[in-house]
Amino acid sequence: GESVGLHLPTLSVQEGDNSIINCAYSNSASDYFIWYKQESGKGPQFIIDIRSNMDKRQGQRVTVLLNKTVKHLSLQIAATQPGDSAVYFCAENPDPSGGYNKLIFGAGTRLAVHP
Amino acid sequence: GAVVSQHPSRVICKSGTSVKIECRSLDFQATTMFWYRQFPKQSLMLMATSNEGSKATYEQGVEKDKFLINHASLTLSTLTVTSAHPEDSSFYICSAPIGGTGGAGEQFFGPGTRLTVL
Repeated sequence: GESVGLHLPTLSVQEGDNSIINCAYSNSASDYFIWYKQESGKGPQFIIDIRSNMDKRQGQRVTVLLNKTVKHLSLQIAATQPGDSAVYFCAENPDPSGGYNKLIFGAGTRLAVHP
Repeated sequence: GAVVSQHPSRVICKSGTSVKIECRSLDFQATTMFWYRQFPKQSLMLMATSNEGSKATYEQGVEKDKFLINHASLTLSTLTVTSAHPEDSSFYICSAPIGGTGGAGEQFFGPGTRLTVL
């Protein structure tokens, strides 16, 4: 079935370092991908998104890279801060026909930032 | 930004009772909302799509008679867990999308409701 998975369940980094969180997706028809941040006991918070007609998109301290050839998505966080500690999920929209489509979430990666 | 609220944020109930969870879009209208369930240290699993003015669409494996969804207005969807049992204990999260042309609109998530069934 359709699935979105992650290579690393946990990632520990030093404050100030760059973080890279990876995600693999299986549905080649997916055309929209989103990264969410979830802090303990809270709902997911939108970080950045990218459409399949792009391979890179940058935000404030974050960059998402999309490699459609190998169906791989990554989130890069520059100068990681303690406040970045959370669980990060990638999500895909498997139905590109438009409208309000449901999202399929990956397993999640916990990012732990150490001082 | 758009805000989605949920009420209650936390609920503890006895086995066999029913629990209602509300999801509200505070500053926008949402004809569609989504309900997710998240077990500890796991990902979000979509349960159903709530549609204003029509029946909800449930994902495979989700019992519609167990999880009643009512999209009462353009700003409110409710999820009722009927005859709750300990295995229903979970974190329930709703989301509502805004806009979206040629694809999914940005979805805003509620803060979640922690349900504990004793």
